[in-house]
Amino acid sequence: DTGVSQNPRHKITKRGQNVTFRCDPISEHNRLYWYRQTLGQGPEFLTYFQNEAQLEKSRLLSDRFSAERPKGSFSTLEIQRTEQGDSAMYLCASSGRQGQETQYFGPGTRLLVL
Amino acid sequence: GENVEQHPSTLSVQEGDSAVIKCTYSDSASNYFPWYKQELGKGPQLIIDIRSNVGEKKDQRIAVTLNKTAKHFSLHITETQPEDSAVYFCAATYFGNEKLTFGTGTRLTIIP
Repeated sequence: DTGVSQNPRHKITKRGQNVTFRCDPISEHNRLYWYRQTLGQGPEFLTYFQNEAQLEKSRLLSDRFSAERPKGSFSTLEIQRTEQGDSAMYLCASSGRQGQETQYFGPGTRLLVL
Repeated sequence: GENVEQHPSTLSVQEGDSAVIKCTYSDSASNYFPWYKQELGKGPQLIIDIRSNVGEKKDQRIAVTLNKTAKHFSLHITETQPEDSAVYFCAATYFGNEKLTFGTGTRLTIIP
């Protein structure tokens, strides 16, 4: 059982650039979540997918953010026109079928916007 | 929506002593409470969880207790070791709500 993987692990970009992160969930998990974590805080929910359907989005997910899970396997999170306030750790988690609420997290992608 | 408060924000204990971290939640519908350990530069790792149909759960040196009436739950680590040093997060949710709401974390330092 290979855990959740995320790439890249670190990303430094200039303000105004677009960035894209990838998450590969645990293979048999049909639910995938994105969270954002700023320094000294707990993770905050952004959005989640059941298979390829995006079922919930947080108010934190502005129009500059878009997430996809086209084939119900890996997911991408894109941030357009990055701002310094986007600097954070972006965490992906996955969980199994309904009734198994346990979410398993990946190592995260740390984004720094200069 | 759910609000989770966590105390203390920092905790230092001598190696071998016990550590206790407490969380309170606001939504009485919450019925699933996981605890995560996060080491520097890594993602949160689940260490134990509890569902509302039980009041206590133990796994070796780690235990979690839940008081649904008071809406609080606690993490207990006994016989602490240096490798227990990390940031610990509590969280709450309910079945059917996919969003975990996290506390603000406790930085635990074990003093050798």
